[in-house]
This record gives sequence, structure tokens and C-alpha cells, in this order.
Amino acid sequence: QQQVKQSPQSLIVQKGGISIINCAYENTAFDYFPWYQQFPGKGPALLIAIRPDVSEKKEGRFTISFNKSAKQFSLHIMDSQPGDSATYFCAASIDDYYIQGAQKLVFGQGTRLTINP
Amino acid sequence: EAQVTQNPRYLITVTGKKLTVTCSQNMNHEYMSWYRQDPGLGLRQIYYSMNVEVTDKGDVPEGYKVSRKEKRNFPLILESPSPNQTSLYFCASSLWAGAGNTEAFFGQGTRLTVV
Repeated sequence: QQQVKQSPQSLIVQKGGISIINCAYENTAFDYFPWYQQFPGKGPALLIAIRPDVSEKKEGRFTISFNKSAKQFSLHIMDSQPGDSATYFCAASIDDYYIQGAQKLVFGQGTRLTINP
Repeated sequence: EAQVTQNPRYLITVTGKKLTVTCSQNMNHEYMSWYRQDPGLGLRQIYYSMNVEVTDKGDVPEGYKVSRKEKRNFPLILESPSPNQTSLYFCASSLWAGAGNTEAFFGQGTRLTVV
């Protein structure tokens, strides 16, 4: 129940195209869903995050779509650029200090995104 | 500059030889954790600490120890490393124990090889 399943494992997109990465979860107690971006040789860094009270959040070319009933959320990268080539991780957590096990991010398996010029 | 610093960045060791990976943050964060990253498995939490002297197991704690004697430091100890602990390790910190709603800052990673 603590798992977050991410797909695809790898993705190749042409420059200017739309990159889409999908995640699904089982634990309905999850209420915070961030995406992290990781460049080679670096640690992950927060890209964008969403809470289940909204269905979409957009920051620049990056959009999270959230479907609470389906327990799925996805990252869309519009006008994908070679500089977006990185590994992307979705994650989920429970935003409650007092719930056992809430004190951690549960990560998906990661997606290696390559944007061809 | 706000950062999480891990050392060493790369380490090759032999089975059974005790080692410590250090982690230090300069953001006065309460919450710190260790993850290991393996291909196809994503990031899995090893241990976490909600504050000084408060630590608890994550999802894959076997073979690891941690301590939190000071707020800024959270070392990861492998008492008797084995080849299945060959992995990329990350230390992370966030502002307070409600790790779900604050940004996690990651170190640069430590690539450990146990032969």
C-alpha cells in the first residue's frame, strides 16, 4: 500500500514535443505529491508538487495532473527541451506529523527522459 | 549557500570493513534521512531522523546504522558492508518533521562499491 508505481521507465521525446510521465498509488492517505528532477551526478531536486484538493498545477512548461478517484497523477512537460533530459521521480507522502510512517517520501521507480535535439 | 554535504562522493571498499558516510546540512532543518538509489527501484528510505537523538527505520534499514547527536549531522554507518549494499546513497533534509509538505534537499550522493 505504500508503493508508488511510475511509468515508463525510460522515454525519448523530440525537441518541442510533450513528455508525459505517469504515477499511480494505492494508499488513499497520501496527500502530498511532489515530482523531483535529477541530473546525472546530482541529487534530486524538487520540481513541482500538488495536493489532492486541486486537479492540476502548472509552473511554466511543467504541469501536474491529478486524478484522485483513479489514484493517479502525471507530469506533463510541454515544449520539451534538451535541457529537460534527466531522471524524474514522482513521490507521495502523508502530511501528518502524528501518523506513524508519515515521515517519509515514497518514491516511484524513476523515468529517464531523453529529449532529442 | 544552503546545502546538504555528503562525503565521500565515491568509495570502494571490501566486504566487512566498517565505513561511515557523513552528511551535514547548514539549513537548521529538523528532519534528515538517508536513501539508496538502485536502477528500477527508485529511491528507498533507509533511516530517518525527526530531530536530535530521534531516529527510526525506513523501508530498507538492514545492515545500516545512523546517529543524530547534532542537528546538522546525520552519518550513515555500515558496520560490515556486503556487496548487496553497493548502491548510490543520498542524504536529504527538510525543514521540519512534517516531511510531506516541505521541500526535501538532497546531497550530491555517495557512490559506494563493496567488493
